[in-house]
Amino acid sequence: AQSVTQLDSQVPVFEEAPVELRCNYSSSVSVYLFWYVQYPNQGLQLLLKYLSGSTLVESINGFEAEFNKSQTSFHLRKPSVHISDTAEYFCAVSGGATNKLIFGTGTLLAVQP
Amino acid sequence: GAGVSQTPSNKVTEKGKYVELRCDPISGHTALYWYRQSLGQGPEFLIYFQGTGAADDSGLPNDRFFAVRPEGSVSTLKIQRTERGDSAVYLCASSSGQPNTEAFFGQGTRLTVV
Repeated sequence: AQSVTQLDSQVPVFEEAPVELRCNYSSSVSVYLFWYVQYPNQGLQLLLKYLSGSTLVESINGFEAEFNKSQTSFHLRKPSVHISDTAEYFCAVSGGATNKLIFGTGTLLAVQP
Repeated sequence: GAGVSQTPSNKVTEKGKYVELRCDPISGHTALYWYRQSLGQGPEFLIYFQGTGAADDSGLPNDRFFAVRPEGSVSTLKIQRTERGDSAVYLCASSSGQPNTEAFFGQGTRLTVV
């Protein structure tokens, strides 16, 4: 069975400060890892994903995440956040033939001016 | 279409009634997923279609829930004898069906059972 843990339900941060959103997973099989973002009143959008190869993956808007197999983590980071980054962020894992996603409970990133 | 479309966007129904939620996937996508997102939770997997067939329905909570995709495109999630605990946002996603390709989500249907 697979599961995802996002320990922080809400992360308040000031604009231009760095941020880390934590994600830990458990799985008995090889996994593929994802971060999805949900902006207010919008649907889920893929932010970035790790399938194989380099353990550091980046998004087009400055976020990055590093797959750490020994710590079973896939933390999301950004060196300097903007007000527009305010959203709910979901970590997810998939593995197996169906590609179904198992999501964490989400972390609300609240960027303050 | 341009994206995954779900209708209605909001549905209020009385306890015990039957409801249908519709999902129009991206044209050409063979894989279709239904998820349920309760307040304060992440989306939970319900069912997965590859083409017309339900390849994995292990997430359906009980036999009141059923989904179809008769022509391999539009899908309908059906809930019988609704209960207040069924209140949630129901999300649909589609993908090309190739391994580990991106799943595109609709904006969901917010179901409220009163």
